[in-house]
Amino acid sequence: AQSVAQPEDQVNVAEGNPLTVKCTYSVSGNPYLFWYVQYPNRGLQFLLKYITGDNLVKGSYGFEAEFNKSQTSFHLKKPSALVSDSALYFCAVRDRYNFNKFYFGSGTKLNVKP
Amino acid sequence: GAVVSQHPSRVICKSGTSVKIECRSLDFQATTMFWYRQFPKQSLMLMATSNEGSKATYEQGVEKDKFLINHASLTLSTLTVTSAHPEDSSFYICSALGVYEQYFGPGTRLTVT
Repeated sequence: AQSVAQPEDQVNVAEGNPLTVKCTYSVSGNPYLFWYVQYPNRGLQFLLKYITGDNLVKGSYGFEAEFNKSQTSFHLKKPSALVSDSALYFCAVRDRYNFNKFYFGSGTKLNVKP
Repeated sequence: GAVVSQHPSRVICKSGTSVKIECRSLDFQATTMFWYRQFPKQSLMLMATSNEGSKATYEQGVEKDKFLINHASLTLSTLTVTSAHPEDSSFYICSALGVYEQYFGPGTRLTVT
């Protein structure tokens, strides 16, 4: 079955330190992968996507993610965290065979402390 | 990225009344839109997939007669919560499907008293 896992409910990091939010997936074929961010009482904002090509994808606000096919992972990273990065982050996968089907992870709350 | 609006942003209604939430894609035509429900500190729960000009596809466990979805144009989908009850109180989010990713609206906070 298709699925997306975000193993950490919460990630705590100090401002200025690097951050990683983990995502692993289980889908058939080559996936389309996405990261979204949600601030309180708001909808989701698109951060970045992997469709094809270079495994390292750069997105908005200095975020990047690396597609690792052998580990079926798509971890979100940022070299230097900001307090304003504190939010809820969702990983998502789009099914290439059922194009209207997306699978979302359970979300990871990122807390960046000053 | 593309812009999706939702109206209203928050609504309070009395139990037994109906509430309509509008979702508009402002700068592109969306053949497919999605409706989600999100409980506090939880992930998104897909309610239904809305396709322009055809009936919506509801996820298992979602009552189609209670959550009426209409996608009459390529820029507008509506969700009507009929005979609302306090347990319907939630954050409802719509999205419009682009070439690859979904573009999300800002969400509607529904409170049923």
